Amino acid sequence: LAKTTQPISMDSYEGQEVNITCSHNNIATNDYITWYQQFPSQGPRFIIQGYKTKVTNEVASLFIPADRKSSTLSLPRVSLSDTAVYYCLVGVPMDTGRRALTFGSGTRLQVQP
Amino acid sequence: DADVTQTPRNRITKTGKRIMLECSQTKGHDRMYWYRQDPGLGLRLIYYSFDVKDINKGEISDGYSVSRQAQAKFSLSLESAIPNQTALYFCATSDTSSGNQPQHFGDGTRLSIL
Repeated sequence: LAKTTQPISMDSYEGQEVNITCSHNNIATNDYITWYQQFPSQGPRFIIQGYKTKVTNEVASLFIPADRKSSTLSLPRVSLSDTAVYYCLVGVPMDTGRRALTFGSGTRLQVQP
Repeated sequence: DADVTQTPRNRITKTGKRIMLECSQTKGHDRMYWYRQDPGLGLRLIYYSFDVKDINKGEISDGYSVSRQAQAKFSLSLESAIPNQTALYFCATSDTSSGNQPQHFGDGTRLSIL
């Protein structure tokens, strides 16, 4: 199955901008790129989704180059509460012939004071 | 997400027992999913359902079965539980009304099999 590739972990300090890059070489034409955040013992929470170029919301920005084979989640001015695991998802083919979202191992972001 | 409810939240059981985990949603979404998460790992898709009459296997369906009793309910069963099915299980929902709608997750069921 095609999967995404992200760094296993990243460290940052409060107030810094954090950029997490994800590779998805086998992205399909109809796939969107979706990022989730997960805190321990909680379900993942949707952060942002995009198809191409740039998307921005109150939490983050998502940058997608023209070839869409990678994407970068940008978290401006992180705080301690942004310490979490971040997952990048695109559709992957299932045996049924359909595409479904699957989670990789994610990027564990640790924000220090 | 409070609109996606999983029961029970915690369960301890013995090897060989039949276990059912339940998920209900008030979001009106047509798609529902079951995932498991092992410590330090990402979520793996077990089964997914695009509507009441549609059930599809995910990455790791062996040892599991599901039932979509209604649009709002999607249950996961372990017919004969084994210790390596000890994990955190999540239910999720999404809507196909437009585009690739993001999934909304419940708070999980922590299952321990002794």
